[in-house]
Parts: sequence; C-alpha cells; structure tokens
Amino acid sequence: ETGVTQSPTHLIKTRGQQVTLRCSSQSGHNTVSWYQQALGQGPQFIFQYYREEENGRGNFPPRFSGLQFPNYSSELNVNALELDDSALYLCASSFLAGEVDTQYFGPGTRLTVL
Amino acid sequence: GNSVTQMEGPVTLSEEAFLTINCTYTATGYPSLFWYVQYPGEGLQLLLKATKADDKGSNKGFEATYRKETTSFHLEKGSVQVSDSAVYFCALSLIQGAQKLVFGQGTRLTINP
Repeated sequence: ETGVTQSPTHLIKTRGQQVTLRCSSQSGHNTVSWYQQALGQGPQFIFQYYREEENGRGNFPPRFSGLQFPNYSSELNVNALELDDSALYLCASSFLAGEVDTQYFGPGTRLTVL
Repeated sequence: GNSVTQMEGPVTLSEEAFLTINCTYTATGYPSLFWYVQYPGEGLQLLLKATKADDKGSNKGFEATYRKETTSFHLEKGSVQVSDSAVYFCALSLIQGAQKLVFGQGTRLTINP
C-alpha cells in the first residue's frame, strides 16, 4: 500500500508569485485535506476535497485554491504569495463515508517566500 | 467553537522517565480524538486515536483515554526512550461539512540519555 506523497519537498518563491503544490492520496482514499503549518505552530485546516468538489474550507483567503482529480490526487494553488505564506504545507488523505476517519499525512512541502 | 489546548513545552526528561502530556478540548458535538507525532523535518504520523468516551488508544507504549467528563485526552508513557524525542500534537476531528482536524499548538519533547 502506497502512502501519501507530496511534491516538491522544498520550494522558494518571491512575493507576488504563484505556486502549485501536489499530493497523491493513499490508495483507497477518496478525500484530500490540506493544512498549513507555520513554524512552531500546529497545522491549520485550509480546505478539503471529496469526489473532486471542495466540501469545506478553513479561514483562508480565496487566493488559496485547490483541485482534486479523478484518481484522487490533488493540487494546492496559492496566488499572489505573501511573506506570511512561508510554512510547511501538509496534505492528508482519508476515506469519508459518514463517520470520522483517520487522516494520513504526507511528508509536506516546505515553502519559503522571500 | 472547536479548540484543543496542550501542555506548554518544551518538555525535557531523562530516559526511562514517566511521560504525561496534557490535552484538553472544547467541541460542539462528539469528536474523535487523536495524537500525532512529528519527527524533525517530517510530516505528521498518527500515534493513536479514540473515537468515543472511555475509549483508550494505545501504540508503541503510549496510551491516552478519552475522558468526556473532563474533556481531556492526556498522553502517557511509562518509560520514554531517546527515540521518542519529537513534537506531539493533540487533535480533534468532527464532521461538519468537511471532516477537519483541529490541532493543539504542539509539545516538543526531548529525552536525554
């Protein structure tokens, strides 16, 4: 069974640029969630995708957007990057079927905005 | 709203010491509770979970019991090892539209030989 994978591992961008982060779900999972973890903090929920539709969003502006593909892989897009967007971005997959399921995390993408 | 409060860190112990990391929560509804561990430079790994009151989650010598009356999910281990050094996150999960995890701020644990 393949776990959750993310790419790239590290990324450096400048303020105002756009970035795309990628995630491959664990086999058999139908839901992908994205979290932002600032240095020294707990992860914060950005949004979740279920069957290619966004089904919930945290307190993040619209310049954070995403996609989920038919094979349940996902992208996180961030436009107009700001310095405060520097963080570890974590993807988690799970199987949503009416009850709370465990979310399994990838290794994360470290984004630095200069 | 939903929130998780963890014991302030960092925590430093000697090898074979007893560990407790406190976690309390506030939730609208009946959450599932989790402990995740994060080793340096890595993502989060599930350590243990409990889905209803009085459930005990356990893994690798760690234990936590879901206490509804005190809204707590304290993490314990009887004898810690140097390899347990990591950051530990308590989290709750509810289905409110999305199923999202709400995390505490994390507790950094260092075990000295």
